[in-house]
Amino acid sequence: AQSVTQLGSHVSVSEGALVLLRCNYSSSVPPYLFWYVQYPNQGLQLLLKYTTGATLVKGINGFEAEFKKSETSFHLTKPSAHMSDAAEYFCAVTSPRGYQKVTFGTGTKLQVIP
Amino acid sequence: NAGVMQNPRHLVRRRGQEARLRCSPVKGHSHVYWYRQLPEEGLKFMVYLQKENIIDESGMPKERFSAEFPKEGPSILRIQQVVRGDSAAYFCASSLRLGQEETQYFGPGTRLLVL
Repeated sequence: AQSVTQLGSHVSVSEGALVLLRCNYSSSVPPYLFWYVQYPNQGLQLLLKYTTGATLVKGINGFEAEFKKSETSFHLTKPSAHMSDAAEYFCAVTSPRGYQKVTFGTGTKLQVIP
Repeated sequence: NAGVMQNPRHLVRRRGQEARLRCSPVKGHSHVYWYRQLPEEGLKFMVYLQKENIIDESGMPKERFSAEFPKEGPSILRIQQVVRGDSAAYFCASSLRLGQEETQYFGPGTRLLVL
């Protein structure tokens, strides 16, 4: 079984400050990991994904995440927060079944303070 | 290209009624996934379908819920005799191919409210 834990259901940062959203996973096989963003009353948009290869993954809107196998982590970062980054962020992992049965974390709501 | 479309976007039902949620995948995508998001929770996998086949319904309640993806037309998630606990956002996603690397594209969701 796979699982995802997102530490902190709410995170507040000042505009221009570093954004750090934490994600730890549990998987019995090498995982494929994802970060999605959800704006109010909208669907999920893929920010970035890690499958194989380089452990530092760059995504859209200036976000990046680093896969650390030894720490079973996939934290999401952005050097400088923008007001438009305020949204809910979900970390996710796929199952090893050959198709994407995605397991999501419970989400982290990011608030950006002007 | 149009993305994943879901309708209705909002649906209000009284207890005991039926709810039908429709999902039109990205054109050319033959893999459809349904997820449910309860208030203050993450998305939970419900069912994975290919055209005319249910591949994995392990996340779907055994009673009152059913899903289909016919050869022609949208995928349908049907909830019979709805209860208040069914109130949630239901998201559909589609992908072009099979495989863990395949990106799933999500629709805007249907928000079901059961009175």
